[in-house]
Amino acid sequence: KAGVTQTPRYLIKTRGQQVTLSCSPISGHRSVSWYQQTPGQGLQFLFEYFSETQRNKGNFPGRFSGRQFSNSRSEMNVSTLELGDSALYLCASSSGTSVNTGELFFGEGSRLTVL
Amino acid sequence: GEDVEQSLFLSVREGDSSVINCTYTDSSSTYLYWYKQEPGAGLQLLTYIFSNMDMKQDQRLTVLLNKKDKHLSLRIADTQTGDSAIYFCAESTASGTYKYIFGTGTRLKVLA
Repeated sequence: KAGVTQTPRYLIKTRGQQVTLSCSPISGHRSVSWYQQTPGQGLQFLFEYFSETQRNKGNFPGRFSGRQFSNSRSEMNVSTLELGDSALYLCASSSGTSVNTGELFFGEGSRLTVL
Repeated sequence: GEDVEQSLFLSVREGDSSVINCTYTDSSSTYLYWYKQEPGAGLQLLTYIFSNMDMKQDQRLTVLLNKKDKHLSLRIADTQTGDSAIYFCAESTASGTYKYIFGTGTRLKVLA
């Protein structure tokens, strides 16, 4: 069974640009969550999608957005990039239902550097 | 409010036991988790404990949960250099929203 795949793995952008990150969940998983990881803040929850609907949202500005497609693949977008957006962006998938322990399966992340 | 706190660093000698601590604030948490992140990789689930349990043992790992104090700990017996990583505790509530709150992570360094 293939794991969670995130693309691109590394990218460099400049302030003011926008970026789109992609995540393909484990086959059969319908929930995709996004997290921002920085050395000082740890893992911060961005949002969670289930069956194309945003089910949960963290405390991030509107510049951070996401969507989920009918095949459960998800994208997140950050517009008007700021230096502070430099981070590792992690995607996690799960079945998203209450019949399991709720284990999250993480991808290796997309490391964004904003110059 | 929601907050999960961990100490940032822990250093132990190979063969010793490691104890990583975590405190959380949401008393409605259903599951509590320990995830491990090795350099350059995503997080991987190590173990979890249901909120109505006090202890769970899984090979070298022992999880202790004190619901009264909202304290969770992970003990790694016979710590090896391969255990060097960042360890995150996390809580979730099965309230239909499946929101997970992660701690800041504890960087464990095992000295040979």
